Amino acid sequence: GENVEQHPSTLSVQEGDSAVIKCTYSDSASNYFPWYKQELGKGPQLIIDIRSNVGEKKDQRIAVTLNKTAKHFSLHITETQPEDSAVYFCASQGAQKLVFGQGTRLTINP
Amino acid sequence: NAGVTQTPKFRILKIGQSMTLQCTQDMNHNYMYWYRQDPGMGLKLIYYSVGAGITDKGEVPNGYNVSRSTTEDFPLRLELAAPSQTSVYFCASSYSKPRPPPYEQYFGPGTRLTVT
Repeated sequence: GENVEQHPSTLSVQEGDSAVIKCTYSDSASNYFPWYKQELGKGPQLIIDIRSNVGEKKDQRIAVTLNKTAKHFSLHITETQPEDSAVYFCASQGAQKLVFGQGTRLTINP
Repeated sequence: NAGVTQTPKFRILKIGQSMTLQCTQDMNHNYMYWYRQDPGMGLKLIYYSVGAGITDKGEVPNGYNVSRSTTEDFPLRLELAAPSQTSVYFCASSYSKPRPPPYEQYFGPGTRLTVT
């Protein structure tokens, strides 16, 4: 079945620096790649997504890139702020089912 | 809109007990899902439903049952609870019409279940 690998599992950056989280997927039929942010005690919240006909998408300080040939996609957060501290999940979807990565705990140090 | 709501927020069960986790969405979404999240892990799909009266197994369905009698509600039933079912459970829903898939999923706040 579909498998999604996410790295790193933990990431600590200084406030104002950039953070990058990377994911690889196995199913070449996957065509939708969302990223979720999960704050402590809450459910995952969609922050950005990208579809397979697009190579890059940006929303303010957040960007996602997709390389379908290599089957990997990445989340980039620039000018990090304390409120960016959370667990981030990537996911891939071919038909109806989302398959999630293992998550990255991002800590922004003041 | 309240979005996706789940009850209860927390529950402790004894081994062998049963319970139902409730999930309701008010966004008129056709698709609904149940996931479990174990510590340090991603979410794994338990069951999903593409509409009222239609349900299907996900990756980890053993020990669980679901029903979907209305568009709004998608309860998850645990029969004979086991310690391996200690987890955080998330319900989600997504649009299905009129666009073709894939569809963005919206998650509830979760239910933290402990089985001892």
